[in-house]
Amino acid sequence: ETGVTQSPTHLIKTRGQQVTLRCSSQSGHNTVSWYQQALGQGPQFIFQYYREEENGRGNFPPRFSGLQFPNYSSELNVNALELDDSALYLCASSSRTDQETQYFGPGTRLLVL
Amino acid sequence: RKEVEQDPGPFNVPEGATVAFNCTYSNSASQSFFWYRQDCRKEPKLLMSVYSSGNEDGRFTAQLNRASQYISLLIRDSKLSDSATYLCVARDAGNMLTFGGGTRLMVKP
Repeated sequence: ETGVTQSPTHLIKTRGQQVTLRCSSQSGHNTVSWYQQALGQGPQFIFQYYREEENGRGNFPPRFSGLQFPNYSSELNVNALELDDSALYLCASSSRTDQETQYFGPGTRLLVL
Repeated sequence: RKEVEQDPGPFNVPEGATVAFNCTYSNSASQSFFWYRQDCRKEPKLLMSVYSSGNEDGRFTAQLNRASQYISLLIRDSKLSDSATYLCVARDAGNMLTFGGGTRLMVKP
C-alpha cells in the first residue's frame, strides 16, 4: 500500500452537478498531483499542488479546480459536470526532494449520467 | 499527435516468453522516464525508472534512446502475474507526468 487514500471510492452524479473528491497524501509528502483516466486510456495530468498553491496545470478547463490544505491533503472540485467527465480520478503524492517517485492512491471512479 | 505513444496491444504471450514494448515521446525537453504497471481497475504502480545506460531489475530491462526519443521495456520469462497494462511515462521539468495510453499484456498458461 502507498499510504495515499482517496474518498469516495465510487460516485454517481448527473450532468450539471458539482463534485468534490478528496485525497490524503502519504506521510511526509507535500506535493499532490491529480490525474483523470478515461476508460482504456492513460492518466492525464489535471494539476499539481505544492504548499497549498497550484504548481502546474494540464489542459483542463477552469471548472476543474483544487485545493491543498496545511496537512497536505487535497481536494479536486469539478463544476457543471459533463458526461465526458466520467473517469477514474487518481491522486498521487510525492516529496519535494524526490519528485521522481509519485505514489498513487486507489482512485475515485466517477460516473456522470 | 500524442506526446507519449504506445502500441495498445494486447500482446498475448505464453508463459516463459520474452516480450518487448516500445514507446516514443515527442517532448525533447522531457527530463526522466518511467514504466508503470496498472492492474485492472487498480492504480498505476511504479515498475522502474528508465536510464540511457539501460537498467535491469530481475526479469525486466528498460532502455532509453534520447536521440530517437524512444523507450523500451523487455520482460523475460513471462509469468501469469505479469498480465497487466504497462504505461510509459515522461516527466517534464515541472514534474508533470505525461502517460502513454498503455500496452496491455496477457500471459497465457
